[in-house]
Amino acid sequence: QVQLVESGGGVVQPGGSLRLSCAASGFTFSSYGMHWVRQAPGKGLEWVAFIRYDGSNKYYADSVKGRFTISRDNSKNTLYLQMNSLRAEDTAVYYCAKVSSGELPRDAFDIWGQGTMVTVSS
Amino acid sequence: AIRMTQSPSSLSASTGDRVTITCRASQGISSYLAWYQQKPGKAPKLLIYAASTLQSGVPSRFSGSGSGTDFTLTISCLQSEDFATYYCQQYYSYSFTFGPGTKVDIK
Repeated sequence: QVQLVESGGGVVQPGGSLRLSCAASGFTFSSYGMHWVRQAPGKGLEWVAFIRYDGSNKYYADSVKGRFTISRDNSKNTLYLQMNSLRAEDTAVYYCAKVSSGELPRDAFDIWGQGTMVTVSS
Repeated sequence: AIRMTQSPSSLSASTGDRVTITCRASQGISSYLAWYQQKPGKAPKLLIYAASTLQSGVPSRFSGSGSGTDFTLTISCLQSEDFATYYCQQYYSYSFTFGPGTKVDIK
């Protein structure tokens, strides 16, 4: 079945770095754009970053621009989020999500992973 | 960036009730709007996309309407499994903004 599984979360000190992974299965990963979305404890959903199916275009939320980098390895069916210069306000559950239609970024997010928790604290 | 607002922020309802949630965009987004349901400790689930198209497998008691700046999600006959938080999201602009959510709980 179609599945996304995140990993790589944990506790990191302010200013530190962490790399999240999202392993995809059950669909042709290389044909779909992918997103990262986060949710701080007790808060709503915040979009973080998007990458086109072929990695040619990337978009970021202003809150993470210049600190986070989204990437993908289509040969490994895996999406990544490199997070640098982490701040306390980056503490959240991070979800990866698949674009419904494939190539077009302007579409809903139809499949979500279970999320991985990132805690930024000294 | 496009801002999304939702009303109400929370509501209490009973099983069998008809529930309507409103979502407003700060500028026109055509029909580039989705609705998601999220239960505690779980990932969001896509309910409706393109403002009014039901995602495969979603019960027909859920419906969406609207275009431009004003949208609604309606649950025609609330079931016990529908108690959750609902988010609207625009995907017209590449900021993919979510609304703040509407929590539906048991009266």
